[in-house]
Amino acid sequence: DADVTQTPRNRITKTGKRIMLECSQTKGHDRMYWYRQDPGLGLRLIYYSFDVKDINKGEISDGYSVSRQAQAKFSLSLESAIPNQTALYFCATSDFGRGDTGELFFGEGSRLTVL
Amino acid sequence: AQSVTQLDSHVSVSEGTPVLLRCNYSSSYSPSLFWYVQHPNKGLQLLLKYTSAATLVKGINGFEAEFKKSETSFHLTKPSAHMSDAAEYFCVVSDDSGSARQLTFGSGTQLTVLP
Repeated sequence: DADVTQTPRNRITKTGKRIMLECSQTKGHDRMYWYRQDPGLGLRLIYYSFDVKDINKGEISDGYSVSRQAQAKFSLSLESAIPNQTALYFCATSDFGRGDTGELFFGEGSRLTVL
Repeated sequence: AQSVTQLDSHVSVSEGTPVLLRCNYSSSYSPSLFWYVQHPNKGLQLLLKYTSAATLVKGINGFEAEFKKSETSFHLTKPSAHMSDAAEYFCVVSDDSGSARQLTFGSGTQLTVLP
């Protein structure tokens, strides 16, 4: 089984619908992240959480919200999806305890299409 | 503020020939630098990282990168390309300012390996 699991892997939805992307990890890491990938733009940070009680906005948080339900679970919500939120979304984790070398461990991505 | 520029969006090489993927960075602090690889339909995986130790960094699968402060570069190289190297590669810079670690991703370089 993958260390960082994202569900769903693919989702097609309509404008205005609420969507939740879920992420769970078995690595025991404190830090979790949601990134968005668009062609030619690399990855951009949406939200990050350094522990269960800590939630921080990233570069492009508008239109998104998150919930850190447990150390191992971090979900991303689009309250009212719009077409320009069509993208590939990645969850990632990192391990603060090992000196925070910056290495991220990624899930396999959730491809979201908003029609 | 920090930024990273990947100078080529696409690179094509023949199998068995050298690979060079170019990355320039800008950082206000002493940076940490990373290269990640993304194979189709997969998450990103760390190839190698520079964190102020040796300037020549060796990574997985025969890749290496050299940190050149005077040129603000961190180019990725491999002496002999293999078909399995075909993927997208991301250069990443981390701000070591002491505040919450933030990673900035480059826009990616798509590597094609021709038989």
